[in-house]
Amino acid sequence: DIQMTQSPSSLSASVGDRVSITCRASQSISFYLNWYQQKPGKAPNLLIYAASRLQSGVPSRFSGSGSGTDFTLTISSLRPEDFATYYCQQSYSTPPWTFGQGTKVEFK
Amino acid sequence: EVQLLESGGGLAQPGGSLRLSCAASGFTFSNYAMSWVRQAPGKGPEWVSSISGTTGYTNYADSVKGRFTISRDNSKDTLYLQMNSLRAEDTAFYYCAKALTGWATYDIWGQGTMVTVSS
Repeated sequence: DIQMTQSPSSLSASVGDRVSITCRASQSISFYLNWYQQKPGKAPNLLIYAASRLQSGVPSRFSGSGSGTDFTLTISSLRPEDFATYYCQQSYSTPPWTFGQGTKVEFK
Repeated sequence: EVQLLESGGGLAQPGGSLRLSCAASGFTFSNYAMSWVRQAPGKGPEWVSSISGTTGYTNYADSVKGRFTISRDNSKDTLYLQMNSLRAEDTAFYYCAKALTGWATYDIWGQGTMVTVSS
């Protein structure tokens, strides 16, 4: 199975900060990498798919980059509604399609 | 409005069974692969099972293979998950999810239904 490792596990930031979260796959997954945001008591919400494609309706302050094994989610200027947990997920080839352990973005 | 609505969760004893349903609306259900994804309290999501749009092709996580069965009724726009031989480690929120493209990029999620396995 492909293991997905996110870093950091949590971070503290302020409104307006630039925030980056990294995700590393245990083997190459090309660009088959998705990012989700999850708020307490809610289902995950797709932000970025295919490593860098912005899902419809998602603000442009979210961006994704990377290919192969190393990927990054960047929030250019953190807003109050962005405090949440973020998960990467690989959708490469055959199952199982695995998620990272999550990165919690907290208010500093 | 595109929507998924799960039902059927609850309390089950170890070794017991439950059947989850997911009613879809607002899109052409048969055009898309559908999946079940679960999330234990305080943990990250875990893919459980997927089914293709029309051919009925299925995939399962090793942890549920042989115990869970995914199915769909395209005439009723409904996805199902039959869960047998339940274990304590199956305790989680269960979400149904629609594929944006392919099998495993999920653009629409239901609100989730909680399954608790305990004696």
